Amino acid sequence: DSGVTQTPKHLITATGQRVTLRCSPRSGDLSVYWYQQSLDQGLQFLIQYYNGEERAKGNILERFSAQQFPDLHSELNLSSLELGDSALYFCASSSSGQETQYFGPGTRLLVL
Amino acid sequence: AQTVTQSQPEMSVQEAETVTLSCTYDTSESDYYLFWYKQPPSRQMILVIRQEAYKQQNATENRFSVNFQKAAKSFSLKISDSQLGDAAMYFCAYRSEYNFNKFYFGSGTKLNVKP
Repeated sequence: DSGVTQTPKHLITATGQRVTLRCSPRSGDLSVYWYQQSLDQGLQFLIQYYNGEERAKGNILERFSAQQFPDLHSELNLSSLELGDSALYFCASSSSGQETQYFGPGTRLLVL
Repeated sequence: AQTVTQSQPEMSVQEAETVTLSCTYDTSESDYYLFWYKQPPSRQMILVIRQEAYKQQNATENRFSVNFQKAAKSFSLKISDSQLGDAAMYFCAYRSEYNFNKFYFGSGTKLNVKP
């Protein structure tokens, strides 16, 4: 157990809908990262937050957005969902100055 | 930008034998960190081992060890006494000392372990 929690574990929805994925980092970790992993693919970095502020953006679509709250949990919002958005979404956290990322169990999203 | 390359999409090893997974990376930086993550069928991402570029000594974690060749920009993972539970996708990752906001992952190597 990495100490990073993600909810829900599974999510099934329809095209055009909007969903919110939630992540709670390890205790004391200030950084949260979001990744997308499509079937049999590597990890695509989406976005990173540090202590409530956006720090880096990767290949994140405009239909996607994220935020980190004062209690350091983070949410990834996916809107106008398409079939191709079906994937495993990982959250990872690291502490300030700590180079290692610890991953949550992921949220498996299926768009029908 | 940094890139991480895993040239072996899939490999197989007999149980109890040794296997080496390859990883190369491209960077102009002198200080960085390298990682191997394991992703079993459960798809949980598990940290296997990490290496600081400033350390000459290769990292070791039980049956897992790395061969870090800084000049060659190579970072291979050796798994000794392979076990059935080692079957997984293995991802190599790079993180800059100067820009810690991003991790760069390779495309992964699927390791099969034969009984």
